[in-house]
Amino acid sequence: EDQVTQSPEALRLQEGESSSLNCSYTVSGLRGLFWYRQDPGKGPEFLFTLYSAGEEKEKERLKATLTKKESFLHITAPKPEDSATYLCAVSLQETSGSRLTFGEGTQLTVNP
Amino acid sequence: DGGITQSPKYLFRKEGQNVTLSCEQNLNHDAMYWYRQDPGQGLRLIYYSQIVNDFQKGDIAEGYSVSREKKESFPLTVTSAQKNPTAFYLCASSRHGGPGNTIYFGEGSWLTVV
Repeated sequence: EDQVTQSPEALRLQEGESSSLNCSYTVSGLRGLFWYRQDPGKGPEFLFTLYSAGEEKEKERLKATLTKKESFLHITAPKPEDSATYLCAVSLQETSGSRLTFGEGTQLTVNP
Repeated sequence: DGGITQSPKYLFRKEGQNVTLSCEQNLNHDAMYWYRQDPGQGLRLIYYSQIVNDFQKGDIAEGYSVSREKKESFPLTVTSAQKNPTAFYLCASSRHGGPGNTIYFGEGSWLTVV
């Protein structure tokens, strides 16, 4: 069965304290791994798409990496405004639709 | 501005009623999706549509219905057959329907059963 597991479930950091979020997957035929940021009561905001092992993408304080079994979202010197839930999702090699299978998310809190 | 618009933001449903959530996009995207989000759980796919006049069931389609008569619009009806409809509903779209396409989300609609 295809699975996406995110860890930790929740993470508290002090402002400036760098860390990483993990997304591990057991799927066949990965066609893309997606990271989203979701603020309370809002829809997920797209951050990155990674397509192949070894690929890396950066945006401001965020950097996403991908291996054959997992992806990391590295947060460098976080600020309080980075507090949100970060969602990981995978797109599979199916014949119909760009369906995404989501993990349950990591709730990040950055304290000033 | 281009984007995905969901309405209403908050909706209350009485037992036995059908309600319809609206979703409109002006991104000229071919594919549209409906997801459901429950507290502490990941998003689950209800229905998706790759082209106009065509749609497929997702993982939790029971108690829901959709239509795709226009490229821009993909309304979701929550029927009385849905036993636990209280949730956050998210509409999304992608340029094309094939795997690997980036999916963009609207701001969501809260549905509460009263």
